[in-house]
Amino acid sequence: GAGVSQSPRYKVAKRGQDVALRCDPISGHVSLFWYQQALGQGPEFLTYFQNEAQLDKSGLPSDRFFAERPEGSVSTLKIQRTQQEDSAVYLCASNRQGTYEQYFGPGTRLTVT
Amino acid sequence: AQRVTQPEKLLSVFKGAPVELKCNYSYSGSPELFWYVQYSRQRLQLLLRHISRESIKGFTADLNKGETSFHLKKPFAQEEDSAMYYCASQGAQKLVFGQGTRLTINP
Repeated sequence: GAGVSQSPRYKVAKRGQDVALRCDPISGHVSLFWYQQALGQGPEFLTYFQNEAQLDKSGLPSDRFFAERPEGSVSTLKIQRTQQEDSAVYLCASNRQGTYEQYFGPGTRLTVT
Repeated sequence: AQRVTQPEKLLSVFKGAPVELKCNYSYSGSPELFWYVQYSRQRLQLLLRHISRESIKGFTADLNKGETSFHLKKPFAQEEDSAMYYCASQGAQKLVFGQGTRLTINP
């Protein structure tokens, strides 16, 4: 079946612009995660949803970052007033309840100029 | 706080030689540890999990609680093993990743 999909795959934003990144998890996957991967680094946790509930947002770097999953399926990560340090690959992952393996999407590469 | 350290950013070995990718962790409880792999132009995917004690694609990893290590090993490297490898620990659902090791297998 289809894996986790993310759109857009690439996004270039001017500093100060708002961006919205979309994640479509695998159908039936209850849990959804967002990670940020800076160049040359491993992915870093941003936030986690179980269905529509955002259970952990401890990794969001500032109040400019906001994530939602209103119907418990598709999720959107929004970054307001983008800064150059926001340039990174944003990864989405999902898994079934009670399982350990996270399935990753291809990522969205955000470049802030 | 959980932390995962992969001391080597780059590792290059010849085909047929043994491979060991190092990973050390810090975690106060009983860790769930994983190796994830990203092949060129592919997405990040699970390679193996410490509890399963499986051998996947010839790779094994043993959890050493005394040394807080979870090194990934393969006795005979193959060219298709060239990839980015990430060690990760899991606590409270989220994964904490190391910075990754780029493994290159030379022919």
